[in-house]
Amino acid sequence: SYELTQPLSVSVALGQTARISCEGNNIGTKNVHWCQQKPGQAPVLVIYRDYNRPSGIPERFSGSNSGNTATLTISRAQAGDEADYYCHVWGGSTVVFGGGTKLTVL
Amino acid sequence: QVQLQESGPGLVKPSQTLSLTCTVSGDSISSSDYYWNWIRQHPGKGLEWIGYIYNSGSTYYNPSLKSRLTISVDTSKKQFSLKLTSVTAADTAVYYCARSGDKGGFAFDIWGQGTMVTVSS
Repeated sequence: SYELTQPLSVSVALGQTARISCEGNNIGTKNVHWCQQKPGQAPVLVIYRDYNRPSGIPERFSGSNSGNTATLTISRAQAGDEADYYCHVWGGSTVVFGGGTKLTVL
Repeated sequence: QVQLQESGPGLVKPSQTLSLTCTVSGDSISSSDYYWNWIRQHPGKGLEWIGYIYNSGSTYYNPSLKSRLTISVDTSKKQFSLKLTSVTAADTAVYYCARSGDKGGFAFDIWGQGTMVTVSS
């Protein structure tokens, strides 16, 4: 079965750039999506199909996908960006989620 | 604006059937553009896709849950439902309904607020 690996946690200084990786075998051939989940809330889509932002998502959020790694980049990180971030793909017979990354803004 | 809202019992006894409903507002549940999904999150854990219903009746389930799972739709009420049989404590989770579509590459663009279901006697 297909697997996605994310770091458990990422820390970033206020105003700096955070990068969250999502690793999977030949993930560059798949559509990768990212959602943000704040405590006690439902997830919110922030990036779809590798690098596209839904309406209402700030330009500070961007994505890339190549080879075996997809990356969510958050520029000029704000305190409000603290959350869990999940990547997911269609893994052939099921949707596969990464384990999630907790982003801390210092 | 499309909104999804889950409803159903918050407590289910072991071995019984978990039943939840998702009500869709602001969109046609009959549209062939979208898939209507169930996703769950065990306490303190990550997300697990359960399955979807599409085009007013076609379904696709997570193989790990397929033997216990039924997803159905009532287009007149703009609702789709989940039934999970023979539940155990391992089915305790927050259950979300969510929309996805081909244009978005199957990204979940709209989510319900989620409903907590506890399996306990």
